[in-house]
Amino acid sequence: QQQVKQSPQSLIVQKGGISIINCAYENTAFDYFPWYQQFPGKGPALLIAIRPDVSEKKEGRFTISFNKSAKQFSLHIMDSQPGDSATYFCAASSGAAGNKLTFGGGTRVLVKP
Amino acid sequence: GAVVSQHPSRVICKSGTSVKIECRSLDFQATTMFWYRQFPKKSLMLMATSNEGSKATYEQGVEKDKFLINHASLTLSTLTVTSAHPEDSSFYICSAREGAHNEKLFFGSGTQLSVL
Repeated sequence: QQQVKQSPQSLIVQKGGISIINCAYENTAFDYFPWYQQFPGKGPALLIAIRPDVSEKKEGRFTISFNKSAKQFSLHIMDSQPGDSATYFCAASSGAAGNKLTFGGGTRVLVKP
Repeated sequence: GAVVSQHPSRVICKSGTSVKIECRSLDFQATTMFWYRQFPKKSLMLMATSNEGSKATYEQGVEKDKFLINHASLTLSTLTVTSAHPEDSSFYICSAREGAHNEKLFFGSGTQLSVL
C-alpha cells in the first residue's frame, strides 16, 4: 500500500520557470514531511522539510505548501535552473513510529536552458 | 548539514560471494541508521532499521540472513550481502539521524552493487 503518492512522475520546465510537485498522504499520524533531491548515482539530499502546524515554508527558491485537511503537500521550485535537474522525492514520517521515512515515487525534473 | 559517508561507492562481485558496505556518520553520533535499496528510476525501499548495540529490525519481505546488518558503534553500521546473486544487483543507500527522536535523516552517497 503506497502511503505517499507523488505526481507527476516527470516534469519538463524552462529555465526561469516554476516546477511544482505534489504529494498526498494517507496516514494522519505523519508529522514530518521532508523533500529530498537526488542526482544520478548519488544519495538523496535533504532540501526542505515542514511540520503540519505550518502551512508554508520557504527556503531560498524552494517552498513547501502544506494542506493538513486535504492531506497534501507540494514543492515549488521558483526560477528553475538547469542545475535543478534531478529526481525529487517527497517523504513523510511519524515520531510515534520511530521516524521511519515513507517515500513518494519520485519526480524526475528536467530544466531546459 | 551532517555528513554520512558510505563506502564503497561501486562494487562488482561474482555470484556467490559476500559484499560488505559501510556507513559512517562523520560528525555526529547516530543511534539509528536505516538501509534502503533503490532500483533504477524507482523510489527508495526501506530494508531495515539498524540500532546501535541491538539487532536490526527488518521490513517485511527482506531476508535477514541474506542482508546482515551490524551497528557496532554510534558512528558505523555495515550491511553485508551474503552469497550475492545477480538479482541482488541494486543501489544500496544508508541514512542516519542524530539523536533518538530527531526526525532529520541524512543519506550516504550510495553503493552500486553489480553481481555477475
